[in-house]
Amino acid sequence: DTEVTQTPKHLVMGMTNKKSLKCEQHMGHRAMYWYKQKAKKPPELMFVYSYEKLSINESVPSRFSPECPNSSLLNLHLHALQPEDSALYLCASSRGLAGGYYNEQFFGPGTRLTVL
Amino acid sequence: SQQGEEDPQALSIQEGENATMNCSYKTSINNLQWYRQNSGRGLVHLILIRSNEREKHSGRLRVTLDTSKKSSSLLITASRAADTASYFCATGQGGSEKLVFGKGTKLTVNP
Repeated sequence: DTEVTQTPKHLVMGMTNKKSLKCEQHMGHRAMYWYKQKAKKPPELMFVYSYEKLSINESVPSRFSPECPNSSLLNLHLHALQPEDSALYLCASSRGLAGGYYNEQFFGPGTRLTVL
Repeated sequence: SQQGEEDPQALSIQEGENATMNCSYKTSINNLQWYRQNSGRGLVHLILIRSNEREKHSGRLRVTLDTSKKSSSLLITASRAADTASYFCATGQGGSEKLVFGKGTKLTVNP
């Protein structure tokens, strides 16, 4: 299985809602990532988990809360979002750390989030 | 901050032609990777070239890396309409856990 899955595919939420995005991989990868992507822009790194521990938080607002329950799952909890948070949220995984010598990232299809 | 800068930002060609995209970066790297993204979808890894490699091939793709010039190029030969997508380079840097993506090249292949 060489797939990263993400649910839901689309999400519409109000600014007072609490929701969660889910990501799963069964490739035995030890690093997992959350990215945010606005239209016509490159992905922006939000969080990196390495061996189930948060290793990078790119100064993301606290209304985004990541969680890694186990080595295959990655969640992103959303609370009190703003309309400007509307974007495509991408999850990715890699065998080792992506900055290393030979670690490609595998991306999921993304969750299209709209905040009203 | 963005490490890679792709050039051109947009490229439109006819089916069957070759497409060349360039990427420049600023600091030393462990690897450079190219990804493709169809509109509104996830990124697909195309090819990874390590800092001690100069050229790599995968099917219709050819990637070169010149570390002295801090640049890379992606050549797609005999392009097809299905190659229409955005292409991003991304660099992995020594001691870093992350990839840094460039701004991307939007390729349109006209049938």
